[in-house]
Amino acid sequence: GAGVSQSPRYKVAKRGQDVALRCDPISGHVSLFWYQQALGQGPEFLTYFQNEAQLDKSGLPSDRFFAERPEGSVSTLKIQRTQQEDSAVYLCASSYRSGAAFFGQGTRLTVV
Amino acid sequence: AQTVTQSQPEMSVQEAETVTLSCTYDTSESDYYLFWYKQPPSRQMILVIRQEAYKQQNATENRFSVNFQKAAKSFSLKISDSQLGDAAMYFCAYRRSRVEDKLIFGTGTRLQVFP
Repeated sequence: GAGVSQSPRYKVAKRGQDVALRCDPISGHVSLFWYQQALGQGPEFLTYFQNEAQLDKSGLPSDRFFAERPEGSVSTLKIQRTQQEDSAVYLCASSYRSGAAFFGQGTRLTVV
Repeated sequence: AQTVTQSQPEMSVQEAETVTLSCTYDTSESDYYLFWYKQPPSRQMILVIRQEAYKQQNATENRFSVNFQKAAKSFSLKISDSQLGDAAMYFCAYRRSRVEDKLIFGTGTRLQVFP
């Protein structure tokens, strides 16, 4: 597609439920990033993929967060046993070589 | 560790006027990129302008320009001839020169544009 596509756009989860957020990057973009944006804050880095390899996961807040990109294209961010503090917008971005990152519209996760 | 600071939580400007958004950063690196992103209510982060640290010339994109002061670690965004569609959150971001490095964002400035 022409841009980065994320789904769903909105997700409401009950506390303790598992969720999966999808990111479809721009075709040909090798690099893929996930960010978490709390209300009123700037995005914060979660994890980075180069093709299918997860090269940096230093931003994942706990072992309940897991990301994968098995074929070097679509990526999924999974959150297990969601908690209220996980409520945020999750942004995906992709880039090519040294170019700027292009972002999707994000998934707003609300844990109730 | 690198940090990015935006000290103006909110700014306002009248249509057709000029406004400047401030950003300072801290790094010990000599080679890096700086960005301004716009985030409208749709939530999508849209790239406004990019500056490579090794370039002395300030970047310009139509009505948007930056004042990059490397020694002072300052990177302000000037919006000329402001339009109603410019109203959004603006985030300053830093990235080391390697493509695999993450963006580090400031806390954002909310820009209001009045007719």
